[in-house]
Amino acid sequence: GAGVSQTPSNKVTEKGKYVELRCDPISGHTALYWYRQSLGQGPEFLIYFQGTGAADDSGLPNDRFFAVRPEGSVSTLKIQRTERGDSAVYLCASSRNRGGTGELFFGEGSRLTVL
Amino acid sequence: AQSVSQHNHHVILSEAASLELGCNYSYGGTVNLFWYVQYPGQHLQLLLKYFSGDPLVKGIKGFEAEFIKSKFSFNLRKPSVQWSDTAEYFCAVSGNNNDMRFGAGTRLTVKP
Repeated sequence: GAGVSQTPSNKVTEKGKYVELRCDPISGHTALYWYRQSLGQGPEFLIYFQGTGAADDSGLPNDRFFAVRPEGSVSTLKIQRTERGDSAVYLCASSRNRGGTGELFFGEGSRLTVL
Repeated sequence: AQSVSQHNHHVILSEAASLELGCNYSYGGTVNLFWYVQYPGQHLQLLLKYFSGDPLVKGIKGFEAEFIKSKFSFNLRKPSVQWSDTAEYFCAVSGNNNDMRFGAGTRLTVKP
């Protein structure tokens, strides 16, 4: 597609439920990032993929969070046993090169609300 | 891991005023530096970037930034702001590990 696509754009769930957020990067982009942005804050790094592998997952807050990118394209961020504090906008970005050397192209984000 | 600090949370200017937004980073190795902008209702987009060479970098829409290695700074400047520059501005840094860390952002409001 023309840009980074994220679905759903909006997700409301109840505390304790499982959530999946999907990111479809720009075709051919090898680097993919997930960030979390709370109101009034900058994007908080979660995980970075280079191809299929997670090159850096040091930003995942705890073991309830997991992300995959099995074929090196689409990525899914999975959150188990959601908590109210997980409410935020989850941003995905992709880059043509190894991420740190190139421009990141961001999606519109998935707004997660945990009631 | 690297970290980024942005000094100003909210800046309010009148049109034609000059702008400078502060950014300091913490990282011991070689860094790549970026400024991203988020206009109201839009996604983040790149304003300018520094990898190497001339420490004064020019970006889109008349913005520029200067990398001062001794101060670990990468401040964003614009000589004369416009109402359309109202947005949130984020400084970002990546290091040898290729991850990208962002500052908390500065909200700029330009009064017409």
